[in-house]
Amino acid sequence: GEDVEQSLFLSVREGDSSVINCTYTDSSSTYLYWYKQEPGAGLQLLTYIFSNMDMKQDQRLTVLLNKKDKHLSLRIADTQTGDSAIYFCAESETGGRRALTFGSGTRLQVQP
Amino acid sequence: DTEVTQTPKHLVMGMTNKKSLKCEQHMGHRAMYWYKQKAKKPPELMFVYSYEKLSINESVPSRFSPECPNSSLLNLHLHALQPEDSALYLCASSQVYTGGGTNEKLFFGSGTQLSVL
Repeated sequence: GEDVEQSLFLSVREGDSSVINCTYTDSSSTYLYWYKQEPGAGLQLLTYIFSNMDMKQDQRLTVLLNKKDKHLSLRIADTQTGDSAIYFCAESETGGRRALTFGSGTRLQVQP
Repeated sequence: DTEVTQTPKHLVMGMTNKKSLKCEQHMGHRAMYWYKQKAKKPPELMFVYSYEKLSINESVPSRFSPECPNSSLLNLHLHALQPEDSALYLCASSQVYTGGGTNEKLFFGSGTQLSVL
C-alpha cells in the first residue's frame, strides 16, 4: 500500500532557510503536494509538483522531487515566524481509486 | 470566493445526542470530502462525494452519516458517538474527483472541533 513519511519536527532561526523532507513509496504517484496547517485551522495548499518535473519554484518556496529515490522536499527561503505551522506532504496516484494520501506532518518552529 | 465554510467551529456533545456538521462552498466544485484529524496526526479520509453521489466510504461506522443535498452543501450527521470520536472534522472540496492522476487541489475549511463526553 501507499506510505508517505516525514520527520516530525524542525526548528530554524528567522531568516534562515528551512528544508522539510518527505519520502513516499508509491511509484505510480502522479502529483505531489505540500499543505500548511496553522493551529486550529484547516489545511492550505501551498504548492504542488507533477511527477515528470524535478523542481518547481514559487516565490520563497522551492519544491525538489527525486523520483528515483521517491524523495520530495520543500525549501522555504528567508523563513519568517508566520511560517511556523505543520507541513504535510501528500500524493495522488495515477488511475487509482483513492483520494490524497497525507504524510504524518512536520512541525516547523521558527525562532525569532 | 475560494472559501470552504464549516459550522459550527466547536461542538460538545454527549454520547446520546444527535448533531450535524455543515459545510458549504461556492466555487462550483463538484467533489466534496470529509476528513477526521486527531491531534498531531494527518487528516484521515472518511467520505468523498462526487456530483452529489457518495463515491468513497472509508469503512466509517454508521454513527457517522454523510449527506450531500446539493453541489454546494455537505453535511455530516452524528448520532451515538463515542469519546474516541473526538477530533477535528475537516471538510474539503475540489473541482472534480477522479480518484487520482489529476491535479486534485483540495480546498479545506477550518474544521469543527468536536468533543464527545
